[in-house]
Amino acid sequence: DGGITQSPKYLFRKEGQNVTLSCEQNLNHDAMYWYRQDPGQGLRLIYYSQIVNDFQKGDIAEGYSVSREKKESFPLTVTSAQKNPTAFYLCASSIVAATDTQYFGPGTRLTVL
Amino acid sequence: KQEVTQIPAALSVPEGENLVLNCSFTDSAIYNLQWFRQDPGKGLTSLLLIQSSQREQTSGRLNASLDKSSGRSTLYIAASQPGDSATYLCAVTPSGTYKYIFGTGTRLKVLA
Repeated sequence: DGGITQSPKYLFRKEGQNVTLSCEQNLNHDAMYWYRQDPGQGLRLIYYSQIVNDFQKGDIAEGYSVSREKKESFPLTVTSAQKNPTAFYLCASSIVAATDTQYFGPGTRLTVL
Repeated sequence: KQEVTQIPAALSVPEGENLVLNCSFTDSAIYNLQWFRQDPGKGLTSLLLIQSSQREQTSGRLNASLDKSSGRSTLYIAASQPGDSATYLCAVTPSGTYKYIFGTGTRLKVLA
């Protein structure tokens, strides 16, 4: 089955730690995205990538980093510089950036202890 | 700056009722508008995508319309069912960008 997988489903982080969230897609999509969702708020874009080896900052990139070394994979690292990382993180992909339907993964819930 | 608003934030209706969810956006220069459904603790599921040149899209009991000039979209759900209970989000892609701007969603509860 084609789709987007995210792991882990739940993640706990101690203050001062970096953690990496995994996102993999087998849809052969060029574009991939990372969003953050907080209670009562819409999704906010962290980073996006239109093609392999290229990515751009979204609206709330501070304290996060990404890489896009393979078409299928777009991992997100939440660094210790992110002061309020507790949130629900969603990865998405589309055939081409902006003009096509976005397909979402099941999400990772990150909690800072 | 593009802003997307969804009103009401929450809605409860009896089963079988036809209902309309609203989405408004401040800048009419968009590539497209997309409606999503989100169940609690889950990812988003795409329902309908309307390109800027289109006026509406239909899928089963769902119909979405787009009026760019007034900055509005509606999602019409016919004969609602308890299984339709979820949060519905709309998102627009502003022209000249490669990212979606999301509304905060309408939480729908269909009562059996």
